[in-house]
Amino acid sequence: DSGVTQTPKHLITATGQRVTLRCSPRSGDLSVYWYQQSLDQGLQFLIQYYNGEERAKGNILERFSAQQFPDLHSELNLSSLELGDSALYFCASSVDHGSSYNEQFFGPGTRLTVL
Amino acid sequence: AQTVTQSQPEMSVQEAETVTLSCTYDTSESDYYLFWYKQPPSRQMILVIRQEAYKQQNATENRFSVNFQKAAKSFSLKISDSQLGDAAMYFCAYGRNFGNEKLTFGTGTRLTIIP
Repeated sequence: DSGVTQTPKHLITATGQRVTLRCSPRSGDLSVYWYQQSLDQGLQFLIQYYNGEERAKGNILERFSAQQFPDLHSELNLSSLELGDSALYFCASSVDHGSSYNEQFFGPGTRLTVL
Repeated sequence: AQTVTQSQPEMSVQEAETVTLSCTYDTSESDYYLFWYKQPPSRQMILVIRQEAYKQQNATENRFSVNFQKAAKSFSLKISDSQLGDAAMYFCAYGRNFGNEKLTFGTGTRLTIIP
């Protein structure tokens, strides 16, 4: 158990709908990362938040958005869903010790299926 | 931009034998980390081993070791005495050593253990 929790574990929805994925980082971790893993592919970085602020953005679609709340949990919002959005969505968290390396701890993922 | 390439989509090995998974990467940075993650059927991302680019000594973790060739930008994973529980997808990943930074993943190698 990494200490990172994600809900729900599975989500099945229809095209055109909107869903929200939730992530609670490890206690004390200020950074949250979202990654997308399409079928049998590597993980693609979507977005990173640090202490409530957006820090880095990857190949995230405009239909997707995220935020990090004062209690440091994060939500990833996916709207106008398409079949191709079906994937495993991972959240990871890390502490911040300035310029030194900080390991990312991954949650169990949310499996999204768009029908 | 950094890229990570895993050219072996699938590998298999007899139980108790040794197998090597290949990874190459491209970066203009000199200070970075490289990782191998294991993803079993449960889909959990498990850190297997990491290598700091400024360290010449190859990292080892029990039956897992790496061959890090910085000039060649090569980072292979050797699994000795393969066990049935080693069956999984293995992902090579790169992270710039600048505090909290995203990870860039390869497309993975599916490892099958033959009893």
